Amino acid sequence: GAGVSQSPSNKVTEKGKDVELRCDPISGHTALYWYRQSLGQGLEFLIYFQGNSAPDKSGLPSDRFSAERTGGSVSTLTIQRTQQEDSAVYLCASSSKQGNQPQHFGDGTRLSIL
Amino acid sequence: QQPVQSPQAVILREGEDAVINCSSSKALYSVHWYRQKHGEAPVFLMILLKGGEQKGHDKISASFNEKKQQSSLYLTASQLSYSGTYFCGTDTRDDKIIFGKGTRLHILP
Repeated sequence: GAGVSQSPSNKVTEKGKDVELRCDPISGHTALYWYRQSLGQGLEFLIYFQGNSAPDKSGLPSDRFSAERTGGSVSTLTIQRTQQEDSAVYLCASSSKQGNQPQHFGDGTRLSIL
Repeated sequence: QQPVQSPQAVILREGEDAVINCSSSKALYSVHWYRQKHGEAPVFLMILLKGGEQKGHDKISASFNEKKQQSSLYLTASQLSYSGTYFCGTDTRDDKIIFGKGTRLHILP
């Protein structure tokens, strides 16, 4: 497809379990962002990858959160020992270069922690 | 570092105008505007680069005042399809985009 693809679309898991969320950006886009959106809230920045540069992890809320981007393409956001407050929609976006380019968002992963 | 949007919510009747403001405490390199409809992903509207430019398409336009570190989004003769949450995102030259908390716009017929 031509857009940003995220999987799974929905994930329900028990508190304490680890989860992995996947993002497949638009082909050729070098910038990739992860955001978290809690119910009725704004877009909370988590992490930003740009090409082969070290990622900007300044938005990760705790050391339970980590992300990697393999081969400059697919990215995985991992949440370890999930807590109920981690419940949210996790959105991924990609853009062709840096910050002055439009971001294209995926449909998100709705994560529910029981 | 998060930009501040105002108002938080607006209710309009179809055909009325609205202005959504976005301000930052830091110098801005660019401002992005997105609209998100309920249950959907945010969709890009426009980017304004420093230089005080104004942009627009159809009846949605925006301005960027670099000195005041502010941007405003203007919706004229609003249509039902304009309903949604509008987010401004700011880039302070470190390339990551930080979004405001959003402005919920509801258009009544």
